[in-house]
Amino acid sequence: GESVGLHLPTLSVQEGDNSIINCAYSNSASDYFIWYKQESGKGPQFIIDIRSNMDKRQGQRVTVLLNKTVKHLSLQIAATQPGDSAVYFCAENDRGNKLTFGTGTQLKVEL
Amino acid sequence: EPEVTQTPSHQVTQMGQEVILRCVPISNHLYFYWYRQILGQKVEFLVSFYNNEISEKSEIFDDQFSVERPDGSNFTLKIRSTKLEDSAMYFCASRTGGGETQYFGPGTRLLVL
Repeated sequence: GESVGLHLPTLSVQEGDNSIINCAYSNSASDYFIWYKQESGKGPQFIIDIRSNMDKRQGQRVTVLLNKTVKHLSLQIAATQPGDSAVYFCAENDRGNKLTFGTGTQLKVEL
Repeated sequence: EPEVTQTPSHQVTQMGQEVILRCVPISNHLYFYWYRQILGQKVEFLVSFYNNEISEKSEIFDDQFSVERPDGSNFTLKIRSTKLEDSAMYFCASRTGGGETQYFGPGTRLLVL
């Protein structure tokens, strides 16, 4: 079943350090994965995506890694900045219409 | 840059009342979605809409919910008789026909008293 809760995992990093946010997904049929950033009071904002036929994709300051063997997804943010502070969600799509979101990780960037 | 817009940003209503949440998807998008997020929890899928009909819906989307695309630009979610547990952020999303990335609006915060 899916896990829900009021307390998000939190990752605290120093400004300038690299951040790694992890996500485990459950559906082995999922073929498309997305990372979203959600700032307080706002909607999810697309960051980067990856298809299941890839294991790595890079964007500007962000890299997504996909390990299908263990159903694990990670988001790496290089040189983390205060503006990166937000909740980060991974989401999966199994060829259907809907996105299934993970629980989310709160990233806090300390000055 | 085009974006999904939603109105109102906040809505307070009494239990049992009907509410309509409005969304204007990105103009060339063909697939439309509603999601909700209860405070402190993850985003949950409600319904997807394509070619003027529902293509998929979740268990949450019961008979109290309906969606409509009344014209070429708006996409609405109606909750017929609100319950306390309907209090949440409601997000509209849309995507193109060829792409898979769903773009989200800023959300409507619904509070049912």
